Amino acid sequence: QKEVEQNSGPLSVPEGAIASLNCTYSDRGSQSFFWYRQYSGKSPELIMFIYSNGDKEDGRFTAQLNKASQYVSLLIRDSQPSDSATYLCAGPDTGGFKTIFGAGTRLFVKA
Amino acid sequence: DTAVSQTPKYLVTQMGNDKSIKCEQNLGHDTMYWYKQDSKKFLKIMFSYNNKELIINETVPNRFSPKSPDKAHLNLHINSLELGDSAVYFCASSQRRGLAGLSYEQYFGPGTRLTVT
Repeated sequence: QKEVEQNSGPLSVPEGAIASLNCTYSDRGSQSFFWYRQYSGKSPELIMFIYSNGDKEDGRFTAQLNKASQYVSLLIRDSQPSDSATYLCAGPDTGGFKTIFGAGTRLFVKA
Repeated sequence: DTAVSQTPKYLVTQMGNDKSIKCEQNLGHDTMYWYKQDSKKFLKIMFSYNNKELIINETVPNRFSPKSPDKAHLNLHINSLELGDSAVYFCASSQRRGLAGLSYEQYFGPGTRLTVT
């Protein structure tokens, strides 16, 4: 069974700090990874995707992929209270054409 | 301008009833999905259609039957509802179907909160 694992948290950071969210995956054949943000009572919203090793930056968000170590991370710089949400890491199932979601990490940004 | 829409948003019904949830996307995507998110917030794939063809059919009870009349619409019919079916059901779409080891970004509808009493 292919897995995507995340620390469920909660992760609490003060406003203005860097929030670091991590995810590991079990399938070495996986090539694409996604970070979704889900506010309470709302649907998941895509915030980042990454296909290549290294870093990808978009505004205050940086996604990092390390295929050798099989982990994906999301850094949120200058965290704001509005960033408080559950962040879902997702990746492909090698053989089944599915996207597998992690259990999500709850982030709280304290003002 | 809603990209992925679902109806109804809330559904409260009694055990044993049959209900349907409808989904429509106007993104021009050719792949659509149904996900179930339980009380622990775990998001699990149920079905996927690519250009009206069923391509993912996870281990779900036969009481759940998806139908895709065209690539912009995906419906979910549930027979003989049970208490354990209570959850939030999300529809999603992606531009194309995934390949081995490669999936594409998905866009989610607002969800349908199903409560079975």
